[in-house]
Amino acid sequence: AQKITQTQPGMFVQEKEAVTLDCTYDTSDPSYGLFWYKQPSSGEMIFLIYQGSYDQQNATEGRYSLNFQKARKSANLVISASQLGDSAMYFCAMREVFAGGTSYGKLTFGQGTILTVHP
Amino acid sequence: KAGVTQTPRYLIKTRGQQVTLSCSPISGHRSVSWYQQTPGQGLQFLFEYFSETQRNKGNFPGRFSGRQFSNSRSEMNVSTLELGDSALYLCASSSGGNSYEQYFGPGTRLTVT
Repeated sequence: AQKITQTQPGMFVQEKEAVTLDCTYDTSDPSYGLFWYKQPSSGEMIFLIYQGSYDQQNATEGRYSLNFQKARKSANLVISASQLGDSAMYFCAMREVFAGGTSYGKLTFGQGTILTVHP
Repeated sequence: KAGVTQTPRYLIKTRGQQVTLSCSPISGHRSVSWYQQTPGQGLQFLFEYFSETQRNKGNFPGRFSGRQFSNSRSEMNVSTLELGDSALYLCASSSGGNSYEQYFGPGTRLTVT
């Protein structure tokens, strides 16, 4: 079974500063994918970044980067140069990846971290 | 490319009634997954449909069911509604193959009174 733990219920950051949102995971699957999603108050889940368990380099997407430490089973999200629009709930999630790279759609989510950006 | 659409966006039902929610995936995507989000339980996986077949299922009672049509659109049905079924229901679409991309719709907020 897969499990995602996000230990920070809420985080505060000053505009233009960087912030790290923590995520640890547990799985017995040999191959898996890790995701971060952003959920504004409107409710829609917005995909931010993906890291495959066999990827050699940490994933980056614009201001988002994923600090992947496989041995420690952590996949922290780093947001650089925070903006007021970054205020939202952030979810870490994982999905099993089968041989050949195929995945089913099931995502296991953490409880989320509410990020508040102050001007 | 149009995103994932869900209808209706908001719904109010009474205990004991049934409800059907609809999800249209991104064009070309063959997999649709459904999730329930509540303040107490967080985001929980309901089921996934791929090419009209359910290929994965979460731990929900049989009152929750779904189906997928040949155009990949999916419907989710909840029968004999309970107060605890009040939630945001999200669907996500993906290619279902080797691509990791999985995109969510805006959700349907169901309130059971």
